[in-house]
Amino acid sequence: EPEVTQTPSHQVTQMGQEVILRCVPISNHLYFYWYRQILGQKVEFLVSFYNNEISEKSEIFDDQFSVERPDGSNFTLKIRSTKLEDSAMYFCASRKTSGIVGELFFGEGSRLTVL
Amino acid sequence: TQLLEQSPQFLSIQEGENLTVYCNSSSVFSSLQWYRQEPGEGPVLLVTVVTGGEVKKLKRLTFQFGDARKDSSLHITAAQPGDTGLYLCAGATTGSARQLTFGSGTQLTVLP
Repeated sequence: EPEVTQTPSHQVTQMGQEVILRCVPISNHLYFYWYRQILGQKVEFLVSFYNNEISEKSEIFDDQFSVERPDGSNFTLKIRSTKLEDSAMYFCASRKTSGIVGELFFGEGSRLTVL
Repeated sequence: TQLLEQSPQFLSIQEGENLTVYCNSSSVFSSLQWYRQEPGEGPVLLVTVVTGGEVKKLKRLTFQFGDARKDSSLHITAAQPGDTGLYLCAGATTGSARQLTFGSGTQLTVLP
């Protein structure tokens, strides 16, 4: 069964360093998303992406964050200068073009630890 | 801002018991999803409900969408230890690129 894959599964970085989290969405999906979940808290929306541009972003997604689809398969989230409070699980998700609104398929997540 | 409140937050029951988890909001949603999340993993979609009053069954799990499309419930019959996990409801609104607003989750533990 097709699935969303994410790498790395866990990354430890120093505060101020740049981090790139990678995602390979399901191949026939065209809507892509990043969510994050701080330990013990709700899953929070970061950004949605369609047709090679951001559709919507949350207040969390400030100038330190960016997303890119550099080729036909990868979807990346970059944090330019990490802060301690960026420590969280980051989930990539995708949705079929004809899929039901909200029916997202999530990857297993990338755990980011900022020291 | 759309908010989804789940109750209870924590539930610990014996194998074989029945349980209901509630998901409530003051907002109307186009659809509502229930996900299950294991520690260190991403949410896995269980079901989507779209129509007000809709009831869907998935083996021992019964999902209902409220008539006004503002609330939902998940009922598990004869719970088993394998049902242990974090159950998340999430609401979606057509036309919103944001897609999903998640509830805070219900951590279910089923004791053998």
